[in-house]
Amino acid sequence: GAGVSQSPRYKVAKRGQDVALRCDPISGHVSLFWYQQALGQGPEFLTYFQNEAQLDKSGLPSDRFFAERPEGSVSTLKIQRTQQEDSAVYLCASSLVGVRNIQYFGAGTRLSVL
Amino acid sequence: DQQVKQNSPSLSVQEGRISILNCDYTNSMFDYFLWYKKYPAEGPTFLISISSIKDKNEDGRFTVFLNKSAKHLSLHIVPSQPGDSAVYFCAATYNNNDMRFGAGTRLTVKP
Repeated sequence: GAGVSQSPRYKVAKRGQDVALRCDPISGHVSLFWYQQALGQGPEFLTYFQNEAQLDKSGLPSDRFFAERPEGSVSTLKIQRTQQEDSAVYLCASSLVGVRNIQYFGAGTRLSVL
Repeated sequence: DQQVKQNSPSLSVQEGRISILNCDYTNSMFDYFLWYKKYPAEGPTFLISISSIKDKNEDGRFTVFLNKSAKHLSLHIVPSQPGDSAVYFCAATYNNNDMRFGAGTRLTVKP
């Protein structure tokens, strides 16, 4: 497809389990962003990649969160030792370059930690 | 801290009338503002943007107004249509790395 694809759409994890969320951006988009959206809130910035370089990870809430984009295309957000407060929708977006170009969002992965 | 605030969680208007969605921000460094629209089970989609060097930007039925002195922007939809029913997010940035979103306003347009 031509849009941003995220998988899985839904993930249920037991507290303490590690999870990996995948994002396939639009082909040719240099920039890739991850956001966390809690229920009833707007998306909150987690991290930003330009090609394979992680230029900003200031929004990652703890060292349990790790993101990578090794070949400058597909990205994975990994959460280690999940906690209940990690339950949220995780959105991925891509753009030609930066936030001032239109960001195209995926449908998100809804993570529920029990 | 909430640097971008949308104080109205919901808004209901009649089809054909004007919808006005409001947004306030606290960070005076923000110089680029955007509105995104979100339908259930989908990601947000870009609607319209405005740079701080302008005070108005129009695209069809959608107009965004920026009042820098009041740190306030608004989105006007005229005329409103039932298909406009969605959650609208205001967002702002001062760099090219990250964007701050408001909590969203759910717009319902009644036929």
